[in-house]
Amino acid sequence: LAKTTQPISMDSYEGQEVNITCSHNNIATNDYITWYQQFPSQGPRFIIQGYKTKVTNEVASLFIPADRKSSTLSLPRVSLSDTAVYYCLVGDKRGADGLTFGKGTHLIIQP
Amino acid sequence: EAQVTQNPRYLITVTGKKLTVTCSQNMNHEYMSWYRQDPGLGLRQIYYSMNVEVTDKGDVPEGYKVSRKEKRNFPLILESPSPNQTSLYFCASSAQGGRVNEQFFGPGTRLTVL
Repeated sequence: LAKTTQPISMDSYEGQEVNITCSHNNIATNDYITWYQQFPSQGPRFIIQGYKTKVTNEVASLFIPADRKSSTLSLPRVSLSDTAVYYCLVGDKRGADGLTFGKGTHLIIQP
Repeated sequence: EAQVTQNPRYLITVTGKKLTVTCSQNMNHEYMSWYRQDPGLGLRQIYYSMNVEVTDKGDVPEGYKVSRKEKRNFPLILESPSPNQTSLYFCASSAQGGRVNEQFFGPGTRLTVL
């Protein structure tokens, strides 16, 4: 299981673009990178997933460099409602085990 | 609406009194899982199930039991709850197993064991 490292917390302001970087130096060839968002007392919610280069959906973008040893979740024009914990996970799509979430990044958006 | 439901949402009980937390999903997912979340420890997997009648231990299975008799249901059973099982519990499901496949989480059950 590839270990991931994220900042414990980040602060930003409404309307700004926020980039959260995750380090995963021992990522394996078959591993994908997935990000979840969790609000207090709610279950995590899938945001985005990628394997290489760039992935974009209606919520966020995920940038993955060629060596895949890190990834960056980009949230455009954040609002107060984006205040949450963001988790980076790395792993194979195959297999029977589930998700092991680390402590994530607590993103706080201020007015 | 596609969803994972859990009941009860809140429960206060006493040590040793058996309890069951139900989990149901309406997405015809094969894979279901239980997690507990504790401050400073993140989300940890308790048990998972790849399909009906197939269950396996996660990272913290001690003190818990599960069953998967139907595809949509995956109850979590605490035969003799103890205070260290006070936690926030989440059930999740996905179309298939695998560590990074999109999982859909329930709203959570906050359990307090006195």
